[in-house]
Amino acid sequence: DAKTTQPNSMESNEEEPVHLPCNHSTISGTDYIHWYRQLPSQGPEYVIHGLTSNVNNRMASLAIAEDRKSSTLILHRATLRDAAVYYCILRDTSGGGADGLTFGKGTHLIIQP
Amino acid sequence: NAGVTQTPKFQVLKTGQSMTLQCAQDMNHEYMSWYRQDPGMGLRLIHYSVGAGITDQGEVPNGYNVSRSTTEDFPLRLLSAAPSQTSVYFCASSYGWSLKHNEQFFGPGTRLTVL
Repeated sequence: DAKTTQPNSMESNEEEPVHLPCNHSTISGTDYIHWYRQLPSQGPEYVIHGLTSNVNNRMASLAIAEDRKSSTLILHRATLRDAAVYYCILRDTSGGGADGLTFGKGTHLIIQP
Repeated sequence: NAGVTQTPKFQVLKTGQSMTLQCAQDMNHEYMSWYRQDPGMGLRLIHYSVGAGITDQGEVPNGYNVSRSTTEDFPLRLLSAAPSQTSVYFCASSYGWSLKHNEQFFGPGTRLTVL
């Protein structure tokens, strides 16, 4: 899977929007962009994924650059419960794709009350 | 649904001991996998299974065995525990074996310490 680059940490205030960036300059045309988050002392939790178009769900929005070399996870109104490590993961769709996800170190999001 | 369950939550072993970490899911998922997470690191894949009777190695399989006799269960066996296996272990499952666009559901983890 291609490599992603995320900031080590970010800080935001409660009830404000949060934009978490991810660079993936070597992304291939068949790579899906996945986001997971891991709350303290818990297993990772799926957030959202997309291929080319922007995506929205009840948890967040995913904005994908036109050239797909970067993407941004948007939390529209952060709460203290959103404090977690956020992982941006590229998933190659060629071949089987059954060999798991590659987790980097992610971005540690701190929410200030 | 209980989702993905793991037992035990915590375990302390002595070097050389063996044990089995249990993982079960009640979502009828084809795909199950085991990851380990060391302090300050991301998760690394140990073994995975695309269905009952089928298993394969991930990134860090040495020292671990798995089997998948039923759809629901995917136990991870440590053959002879070593301090380097001190970690948090996560089990995950997914509806489809292709992870292109299927989300994975993770269990709460087992914290293992090997002395």
